Amino acid sequence: EAQVTQNPRYLITVTGKKLTVTCSQNMNHEYMSWYRQDPGLGLRQIYYSMNVEVTDKGDVPEGYKVSRKEKRNFPLILESPSPNQTSLYFCASSFAGNGELFFGEGSRLTVL
Amino acid sequence: AQSVTQLDSQVPVFEEAPVELRCNYSSSVSVYLFWYVQYPNQGLQLLLKYLSGSTLVKGINGFEAEFNKSQTSFHLRKPSVHISDTAEYFCAVSLTNDYKLSFGAGTTVTVRA
Repeated sequence: EAQVTQNPRYLITVTGKKLTVTCSQNMNHEYMSWYRQDPGLGLRQIYYSMNVEVTDKGDVPEGYKVSRKEKRNFPLILESPSPNQTSLYFCASSFAGNGELFFGEGSRLTVL
Repeated sequence: AQSVTQLDSQVPVFEEAPVELRCNYSSSVSVYLFWYVQYPNQGLQLLLKYLSGSTLVKGINGFEAEFNKSQTSFHLRKPSVHISDTAEYFCAVSLTNDYKLSFGAGTTVTVRA
């Protein structure tokens, strides 16, 4: 089954404790992206990657890091989480960034 | 840069009634347009897309949208909604020569019996 898998789905952590949200897709998509969803703001892009070892900043990259060492994986790293990073995070992928994104089910992060 | 405005944040509607969700975009160059749906506690999934050709686009679950270049709009419609259409709907736009997809703030549709 074609899917984008995120883990963990739910996480409560404390300020400053490094965490990683994993994302894996099994569709051989070149393009992968991370979004955060906040009420009234829709989805805002954090980082994206057009292929292995190619990443770029989206609209709200501050406080986040990503890597793309393999085509299928695109982890999101919060080196020192802060409460303003409490949000619902989505990973998505597509062929060649054509807008037809496949989304994961989301990871709800709470930073205390 | 492109941007998207969804004109209604909440749309309550009775079952079997029609619904229209309004979306306007701003861009000085050609765009691709999309509608995504997010059911409660799920990720987003593609409803329909406009890339080129006919301005009336049909999607899944009986939804359709019309691209109006002169009014820079891409409104979503369904002639008769079901309870199961209760969800949040997002309009999105990308430039035809760019990977970046910009989303609107979303419209929550609540269908009541």
